[in-house]
Amino acid sequence: GAVVSQHPSWVICKSGTSVKIECRSLDFQATTMFWYRQFPKQSLMLMATSNEGSKATYEQGVEKDKFLINHASLTLSTLTVTSAHPEDSSFYICSARAWTGENIQYFGAGTRLSVL
Amino acid sequence: GQNIDQPTEMTATEGAIVQINCTYQTSGFNGLFWYQQHAGEAPTFLSYNVLDGLEEKGRFSSFLSRSKGYSYLLLKELQMKDSASYLCAPFNQAGTALIFGKGTTLSVSS
Repeated sequence: GAVVSQHPSWVICKSGTSVKIECRSLDFQATTMFWYRQFPKQSLMLMATSNEGSKATYEQGVEKDKFLINHASLTLSTLTVTSAHPEDSSFYICSARAWTGENIQYFGAGTRLSVL
Repeated sequence: GQNIDQPTEMTATEGAIVQINCTYQTSGFNGLFWYQQHAGEAPTFLSYNVLDGLEEKGRFSSFLSRSKGYSYLLLKELQMKDSASYLCAPFNQAGTALIFGKGTTLSVSS
């Protein structure tokens, strides 16, 4: 299957700082990537759909000014958690579809964010 | 809207067979995915059903009935490493993201 790389795997930061998470498709071009968040023992919640070269589409209840998404190339999307607070501590996961017309989403390994 | 119903937890022993059921209601339907998620890790793709019937892939098989809004994942010859959450995700529109329910947590014991 297609490979999606996500970095960093773990990040610990102080409250008020910003954290950037990168999601790369390693062996394919991804016009669309997706960002999810998962709290312990909860389901994966879709945060936003990231489209290459255009603005991301955010799900209801997700603050676009707090969770900045940039999809500047066909292989890279970034999620920046701005002014992070302890309640933002969660498991953030990106995914991508390998090519147009294929519906399978391949997931990155996830980033565990802990805000102190 | 979308509604997914799976059992919350299941237990089984090594070598056994287990069937995880999923019923769903969606506006529009283009297929159904099953993913496996180990604790603390991201989901990995298991299967994708578009047409009615059984899709077999080694120890894992997935069945779909579109008219009944029903799918199941069948795991044979269970191994300890199969202990994980299994996520059923109906897919309603090409190009859109998968929406997941809470999944079924399977515990395999020796």
